[in-house]
Amino acid sequence: DGGITQSPKYLFRKEGQNVTLSCEQNLNHDAMYWYRQDPGQGLRLIYYSQIVNDFQKGDIAEGYSVSREKKESFPLTVTSAQKNPTAFYLCASSIAGGSGEQFFGPGTRLTVL
Amino acid sequence: QQQVKQSPQSLIVQKGGISIINCAYENTAFDYFPWYQQFPGKGPALLIAIRPDVSEKKEGRFTISFNKSAKQFSLHIMDSQPGDSATYFCAANRGADGLTFGKGTHLIIQP
Repeated sequence: DGGITQSPKYLFRKEGQNVTLSCEQNLNHDAMYWYRQDPGQGLRLIYYSQIVNDFQKGDIAEGYSVSREKKESFPLTVTSAQKNPTAFYLCASSIAGGSGEQFFGPGTRLTVL
Repeated sequence: QQQVKQSPQSLIVQKGGISIINCAYENTAFDYFPWYQQFPGKGPALLIAIRPDVSEKKEGRFTISFNKSAKQFSLHIMDSQPGDSATYFCAANRGADGLTFGKGTHLIIQP
């Protein structure tokens, strides 16, 4: 089965803790993305990567960090600097330089206690 | 600055009717305009997409109309069914950059 997996599905964090969300794809896509979804706000771009070992900030990168050591994996770390981290986080992938079509994973719901 | 404006925020349509959702964009560099469907607790799924060199694209009951001069595009769902009840997002981007999304339309199809 080709697709994008995100884990965990639900994540709870105490204030002041860093937490890492996993995103893995077996679609052989070069580009990967992280979005944050809040009620009534649509999806907003956090970071994206078009190739291994390279990534760019999106519209709301502050308080987040990423790495892209492997083509298949693009983990997102939500740091303690993120003031309002409770949200639904979505990972996506696409063919770099292609049609722009992005495929999304099932999401991780992060709640800060 | 919101680059893609979507309306309405919510929409109720009777079964068998036509659902229409509208979007307007500002960045003329955008060259790809997808629509996504999302069910509660799930990731968005690509429904249909269009490029600015065509004015209309139809796939089954779903049609995108595109007006390049007005910088507007819309989604029409014909013969709307209760299973179409979901949140719909329009989006836009250029190349392999990240997508810029509208804020979404919560669609309810009443039986």
